[in-house]
Amino acid sequence: DGGITQSPKYLFRKEGQNVTLSCEQNLNHDAMYWYRQDPGQGLRLIYYSQIVNDFQKGDIAEGYSVSREKKESFPLTVTSAQKNPTAFYLCASSIVPDNYGYTFGSGTRLTVV
Amino acid sequence: EDQVTQSPEALRLQEGESSSLNCSYTVSGLRGLFWYRQDPGKGPEFLFTLYSAGEEKEKERLKATLTKKESFLHITAPKPEDSATYLCAVRLGGSEKLVFGKGTKLTVNP
Repeated sequence: DGGITQSPKYLFRKEGQNVTLSCEQNLNHDAMYWYRQDPGQGLRLIYYSQIVNDFQKGDIAEGYSVSREKKESFPLTVTSAQKNPTAFYLCASSIVPDNYGYTFGSGTRLTVV
Repeated sequence: EDQVTQSPEALRLQEGESSSLNCSYTVSGLRGLFWYRQDPGKGPEFLFTLYSAGEEKEKERLKATLTKKESFLHITAPKPEDSATYLCAVRLGGSEKLVFGKGTKLTVNP
């Protein structure tokens, strides 16, 4: 079955560490997105990519980095510059132009320890 | 600034008690309004897309409607398995990005 796979499901980061969240899709979707979800807040866009080797900053890109070397993959690195990284991270993909909404992964919960 | 506001923040219903969730938006150049369902600890699941005022979509006990300034998600005779957070999102003109509301947490008691 086609879908989006996020790994790991749970991730713990020590202060000062960089960590990378994986997102892989086999839907042949052109566009991919990273959102952050905090309690009581809506999903906030971190980065998005509509084509391989190109990506744009979202509303809260500071402290994060991404790459899009393959159509299927869009990893997110949470750097030590992100001061409050504890959150639920969601990856999504869509066709372009999109008439059917995003397909989301099951999320990665990142906790700073 | 473009805004998406969902109300109420939380709603508790008895099984079989119909109600509606609201999503109001103040955006220019709307190119679609989306409804998602999210269960705890999981990613959102796509429900509906609406594009123009007057449009309606239905799926089982859910019906989504759209006016020029808001959308409603009507839940008819809900069951406990309908308990979830329902998210509304809008796509702005000239962009593939979605702007999400904060969601409505629905609890249906048996």
